[in-house]
Amino acid sequence: QQQVKQSPQSLIVQKGGIPIINCAYENTAFDYFPWYQQFPGKGPALLIAIRPDVSEKKEGRFTISFNKSAKQFSLHIMDSQPGDSATYFCAASKAAGNKLTFGGGTRVLVKP
Amino acid sequence: EAQVTQNPRYLITVTGKKLTVTCSQNMNHEYMSWYRQDPGLGLRQIYYSMNVEVTDKGDVPEGYKVSRKEKRNFPLILESPSPNQTSLYFCASTTRDTREQYFGPGTRLTVT
Repeated sequence: QQQVKQSPQSLIVQKGGIPIINCAYENTAFDYFPWYQQFPGKGPALLIAIRPDVSEKKEGRFTISFNKSAKQFSLHIMDSQPGDSATYFCAASKAAGNKLTFGGGTRVLVKP
Repeated sequence: EAQVTQNPRYLITVTGKKLTVTCSQNMNHEYMSWYRQDPGLGLRQIYYSMNVEVTDKGDVPEGYKVSRKEKRNFPLILESPSPNQTSLYFCASTTRDTREQYFGPGTRLTVT
């Protein structure tokens, strides 16, 4: 079974809109929650990450919200642009160097 | 340029014909992993290596082999490929002190 569940599978927004992607995890041993961005034909690349002692983290137009008690975290893309069109993966891990457990991915399309 | 390289990028083969996908990183990373990406399932770890001559199974190791004879290289071997191994494969590397994983560009494998 998937230890990290991600929704929705796909999302279409207009330029300037705020796509929101949600993830839920089961394993309370996870202590690092990154989001990876993947463009067609490329490997995933780290976008932003959060640890469970913080409830929110912003980097540019990307914000992670984290709810430890609910075991949920989400990615918000503020003022989305067509260049943000990509597949986004949430993930979780337990220790440095340890494997990443990925969600199923969300394909985001930002229309001009 | 710091990078993870994979070869080949695309491969079409037939059932049972042994193949090797190479992976190399130039960042002197200790940890290397192989993932497969399938629609709706995200990326799942196949095998990982914490250092030279140290490898271990990930979540979906059946039908795959790996070796780590040099720190920079981590080839993935399919001794007898089957159609259910048709997938997009990614190699990744990281250090023991960080959480960010660096992914290669991917290898799209089709087994007929």
